[in-house]
Amino acid sequence: AQSVTQLGSHVSVSEGALVLLRCNYSSSVPPYLFWYVQYPNQGLQLLLKYTTGATLVKGINGFEAEFKKSETSFHLTKPSAHMSDAAEYFCAVSVNTGNQFYFGTGTSLTVIP
Amino acid sequence: EPEVTQTPSHQVTQMGQEVILRCVPISNHLYFYWYRQILGQKVEFLVSFYNNEISEKSEIFDDQFSVERPDGSNFTLKIRSTKLEDSAMYFCASSPDMPNQPQHFGDGTRLSIL
Repeated sequence: AQSVTQLGSHVSVSEGALVLLRCNYSSSVPPYLFWYVQYPNQGLQLLLKYTTGATLVKGINGFEAEFKKSETSFHLTKPSAHMSDAAEYFCAVSVNTGNQFYFGTGTSLTVIP
Repeated sequence: EPEVTQTPSHQVTQMGQEVILRCVPISNHLYFYWYRQILGQKVEFLVSFYNNEISEKSEIFDDQFSVERPDGSNFTLKIRSTKLEDSAMYFCASSPDMPNQPQHFGDGTRLSIL
């Protein structure tokens, strides 16, 4: 079975500081990994994805994530936080034996001016 | 950029009534999904739909739920005999011609059961 754990339901950073949102997954088969962002009263917007190939993936809005198989992690980072980054972030995993996504519980990012 | 659209944005229904949530997936997508997010909880998979039939469903998706693609554009979720615990945000998503591709989500329908 697949599952996703997001450590830290709330993260606060100062504007301009590094953003690090943690995601660990559990999967018995090679995973496909995704990060989505949800702004208030909106749906989920894809930030980035890992399927195969390069383990460091770059997404929109300056975010990137690195797939580390040995650590079963897919942490999301951004070098310098902007006020507009304040939102809810969800990590998700799927596998090639099915097409449903398994989501983490989400991390709410607050950016302090 | 093409979007998944959902209507209504907010639905209020009396307990025991039937409700239909509507979605228009991106036009060239072939996989369709419904997810649910109860307030303060994680986004949960309900069902996926491909080639006019259900391809996967979760244990949440019991006989109370059904999905349909009544025409070439709409994808609906019907909830019969609604219960208080059905109150949640319901998201529709679609993806292109293969599974495990990024799913594109609509803005959701907030369902409130009174």
